[in-house]
Amino acid sequence: DQQVKQNSPSLSVQEGRISILNCDYTNSMFDYFLWYKKYPAEGPTFLISISSIKDKNEDGRFTVFLNKSAKHLSLHIVPSQPGDSAVYFCAAHGSSNTGKLIFGQGTTLQVKP
Amino acid sequence: EPEVTQTPSHQVTQMGQEVILRCVPISNHLYFYWYRQILGQKVEFLVSFYNNEISEKSEIFDDQFSVERPDGSNFTLKIRSTKLEDSAMYFCASSEAEYNEQFFGPGTRLTVL
Repeated sequence: DQQVKQNSPSLSVQEGRISILNCDYTNSMFDYFLWYKKYPAEGPTFLISISSIKDKNEDGRFTVFLNKSAKHLSLHIVPSQPGDSAVYFCAAHGSSNTGKLIFGQGTTLQVKP
Repeated sequence: EPEVTQTPSHQVTQMGQEVILRCVPISNHLYFYWYRQILGQKVEFLVSFYNNEISEKSEIFDDQFSVERPDGSNFTLKIRSTKLEDSAMYFCASSEAEYNEQFFGPGTRLTVL
């Protein structure tokens, strides 16, 4: 089941620069997307979400962009901080109305001081 | 800030034994979920629960699995006869509504020997 894909297993950026994490999906019925951050030995923590009726949502240093025609979304973190180092998961609400989330494989972000 | 809690943090069991993983969702949330993450793999949906019944379950959630909300606060996942491949991190999550962000607990690491 590869409905949500994060093709980059890891990303390394310098503190203060922009981090861009990418996510692709295959099911055009998905209409709500979320990004979660996960530290080792903790559960995923919600970061930001976007509905398919929008193409951008911003919350502080975090911005999510959605390109429906390309079935692609990205998370931008500006400026990146060492505390942002974690695994980032993209998730999509399944096409049923049960709240089921379908996760990507995750991208490990390392922000170097 | 309210949070989802899970007990135990680590459970070791013998193959064929029954285990019960416990969760206390956020008190005003109405939707409850279990996910699991096998080491090195993506977070996978197991089951969603609303209004005291299962609203959706995955292929993984076979007859060996069951969920219950025995009182107004706890939400449990029972595995009747554990298999080696059930070894994983199990995350409980809850949300106010099916399209709201889900809040995850810290997880229970299940090791089946």
